Amino acid sequence: DAMVIQNPRYQVTQFGKPVTLSCSQTLNHNVMYWYQQKSSQAPKLLFHYYDKDFNNEADTPDNFQSRRPNTSFCFLDIRSPGLGDAAMYLCATGPLAGDQYEQFFGPGTRLTVL
Amino acid sequence: LAKTTQPISMDSYEGQEVNITCSHNNIATNDYITWYQQFPSQGPRFIIQGYKTKVTNEVASLFIPADRKSSTLSLPRVSLSDTAVYYCLVGDLAAGNKLTFGGGTRVLVKP
Repeated sequence: DAMVIQNPRYQVTQFGKPVTLSCSQTLNHNVMYWYQQKSSQAPKLLFHYYDKDFNNEADTPDNFQSRRPNTSFCFLDIRSPGLGDAAMYLCATGPLAGDQYEQFFGPGTRLTVL
Repeated sequence: LAKTTQPISMDSYEGQEVNITCSHNNIATNDYITWYQQFPSQGPRFIIQGYKTKVTNEVASLFIPADRKSSTLSLPRVSLSDTAVYYCLVGDLAAGNKLTFGGGTRVLVKP
């Protein structure tokens, strides 16, 4: 089945130790998104790729970076994780446009920072 | 991006209809209204989307009045498995496809 896959599902890192989260998709969608969702809060958009065009949200900290080497894969790099970065990180994909626009979300990676 | 306001939580019982109203007073002409459902420890899932009047699919209905300043998601005959957080989002489908999640409504279905 076509889907959005996130690895790992659970990630533990140490304060200040760089970590990379990965997302892959078999939907062949042009747009890929990264969201951060903290406990009992709504998902917050960090950035998105419109094909290879990177779009950063104004309030996304510099500590968060992203790479998209090809259509199928997208990575979230946290250069120096702090305790406040502990959250669920959600990857989503979507087509460029259409009569109905739907974002397809992966299951998320839950990041713990020790 | 239009801001949305939803009730924080709602309780219901199995078999009842649940209606969640979302306010979006500054909705723009090109904005669509979309609802997502999220279960704990899962990514949100698309439920329904509309522009005006009424939209119905196999899981829900979406009612949008003529002024489009609010919308109501209707879940018919809910079951325990419908316990989730429901998000109302408003955005332009063509303008970079960015959607901002509001606070969401936590729906608890009781037996």
